[in-house]
Amino acid sequence: NAGVTQTPKFQVLKTGQSMTLQCAQDMNHEYMSWYRQDPGMGLRLIHYSVGAGITDQGEVPNGYNVSRSTTEDFPLRLLSAAPSQTSVYFCATQAGGPMYGANVLTFGAGSRLTVL
Amino acid sequence: AQRVTQPEKLLSVFKGAPVELKCNYSYSGSPELFWYVQYSRQRLQLLLRHISRESIKGFTADLNKGETSFHLKKPFAQEEDSAMYYCALSPTGTASKLTFGTGTRLQVTL
Repeated sequence: NAGVTQTPKFQVLKTGQSMTLQCAQDMNHEYMSWYRQDPGMGLRLIHYSVGAGITDQGEVPNGYNVSRSTTEDFPLRLLSAAPSQTSVYFCATQAGGPMYGANVLTFGAGSRLTVL
Repeated sequence: AQRVTQPEKLLSVFKGAPVELKCNYSYSGSPELFWYVQYSRQRLQLLLRHISRESIKGFTADLNKGETSFHLKKPFAQEEDSAMYYCALSPTGTASKLTFGTGTRLQVTL
């Protein structure tokens, strides 16, 4: 039982390049989300999904794209990387549906992205 | 809009001293409040949530609706408590869109 797996752990990009951060979970959790963590700004929600085929924007969605074709996977795509997207990215999941009251997130280990 | 404020970026205390990590929130409804912790080289994980009214690793937090606060307290700090602590808020009964504070780094020294 791996929980939440993020790949890659580290990535360096040049401005304008595209890439995909992968997030996979084996807990059959319905809810998945992506956060970015920046010094002095805490964690900010980028995109989230309440189930396969359903995605929605969070607080800072610009420059990022997501899709949810399966329950297990929730990739985050950077279409044209910018230095402002240098950050640590966390994927998080939650059991149950969107109305589940506990709101307890299980986090991945994080992906550190540097855009030059 | 909901907001979580953690006024201290760094809190340094001696081992055995009391700890209080401050968290204030802004939300018009009835929120759910959480504390998450990130130890060095470990994943972000839930420490405690107000609805459980539990004590985890000696930490407690009481939701004060009048002062809109959810401060995290521990009577005697231990070295292993050194970590990054995040306060988070979610509207009750909605999808899990947690709003996190900016975090406080707790440093426990001998």
